[in-house]
Amino acid sequence: GAVVSQHPSWVICKSGTSVKIECRSLDFQATTMFWYRQFPKQSLMLMATSNEGSKATYEQGVEKDKFLINHASLTLSTLTVTSAHPEDSSFYICSALQGDQYNEQFFGPGTRLTVL
Amino acid sequence: DQQVKQNSPSLSVQEGRISILNCDYTNSMFDYFLWYKKYPAEGPTFLISISSIKDKNEDGRFTVFLNKSAKHLSLHIVPSQPGDSAVYFCAASGLTGGGNKLTFGTGTQLKVEL
Repeated sequence: GAVVSQHPSWVICKSGTSVKIECRSLDFQATTMFWYRQFPKQSLMLMATSNEGSKATYEQGVEKDKFLINHASLTLSTLTVTSAHPEDSSFYICSALQGDQYNEQFFGPGTRLTVL
Repeated sequence: DQQVKQNSPSLSVQEGRISILNCDYTNSMFDYFLWYKKYPAEGPTFLISISSIKDKNEDGRFTVFLNKSAKHLSLHIVPSQPGDSAVYFCAASGLTGGGNKLTFGTGTQLKVEL
């Protein structure tokens, strides 16, 4: 299947700093990417849908000024956690949609964010 | 509000036996369902899916059953192999209006023992 990478795989930062997470589709173009957040022993919660060349669509309850998403090219979407706080510590995972079918959504390996 | 639920956080099965993972949903607008497998430190990988117009879909050792009236689906793995040990997520989507957005369950940790 297609490959999606995330960078970094883990990051530790101080409270108040901003952290950028990259999601790349390595061997296909993705007009749509998704950002999820997963708390321990909980499900993946969709945060936002990222569309190339347009603004992201955020799910209810997700602060768009807090979680900035940029999808500048067909192979790259970035999630920036601004002014991070300890409650933002979580596992962030992206997926990229290769086609129109649900089973063509490929997931990255995730990024573990710890805010001290 | 957990619209997709996997009530068993873990399941242990002997190698060669059948593994049955269950998933329940509450939103009647869901009409497409998927199962994903996830290893530690990796992203979920797609396993099998089923549309609401079907009640069964089979792919090799994996079979998914859908009971729309009960809002319940299950994944059967037979025979189970040690390499199947992973966390399994069910996910649901509504083809009408929901686009490709997936709602995930909380996952079931499957352990296949020798």
